[in-house]
Amino acid sequence: GAGVSQSPSNKVTEKGKDVELRCDPISGHTALYWYRQRLGQGLEFLIYFQGNSAPDKSGLPSDRFSAERTGESVSTLTIQRTQQEDSAVYLCASSLSRGGANVLTFGAGSRLTVL
Amino acid sequence: AQSVTQLDSQVPVFEEAPVELRCNYSSSVSVYLFWYVQYPNQGLQLLLKYLSGSTLVKGINGFEAEFNKSQTSFHLRKPSVHISDTAEYFCAVINTGTASKLTFGTGTRLQVTL
Repeated sequence: GAGVSQSPSNKVTEKGKDVELRCDPISGHTALYWYRQRLGQGLEFLIYFQGNSAPDKSGLPSDRFSAERTGESVSTLTIQRTQQEDSAVYLCASSLSRGGANVLTFGAGSRLTVL
Repeated sequence: AQSVTQLDSQVPVFEEAPVELRCNYSSSVSVYLFWYVQYPNQGLQLLLKYLSGSTLVKGINGFEAEFNKSQTSFHLRKPSVHISDTAEYFCAVINTGTASKLTFGTGTRLQVTL
């Protein structure tokens, strides 16, 4: 597509429930990133995909967080047994390829609220 | 590992006044530097980037930034702001060699008023 698309744009869930957040990157972009943005804080790196593999998962905060990517396209970020501290905006970005000079294009984000 | 510091969490400024948003970084290797802007309820949008060459980089919407290696800074400037510049601004850094992750600062909220 023309841009990075994320869904849902807003999600309210109860503590303990599982949630899935979806990201559709720009067609042809092989690199895909997930970031988390908590209120009043900067962007926190979660995970990076090159193709369908994830060479860097160092930012996932706990084993309740997982992500996958299929067909070198869509990615899903799953949070199991959500906690209130998981409340944040989850941002997805894609770029043509791996490499520092490649500019990341961001989606509008998925705002997660855990009650 | 690299890090980014944006000392000012909020910067209030009157319309048509100049503004500078400060960014300092830390890295043991050479870096690329970026400024992103986030308008309300929108994703981040690239404002400008420094990869190499001239240390003065011009971006969209009249913004510019200067890379200062000795001071490890990449401050963002605009000579005359508009109401429409009200947004959150993020400085980011990534190492040039390995394909490490883009590290962001905590952001600066620019509030432009009449």
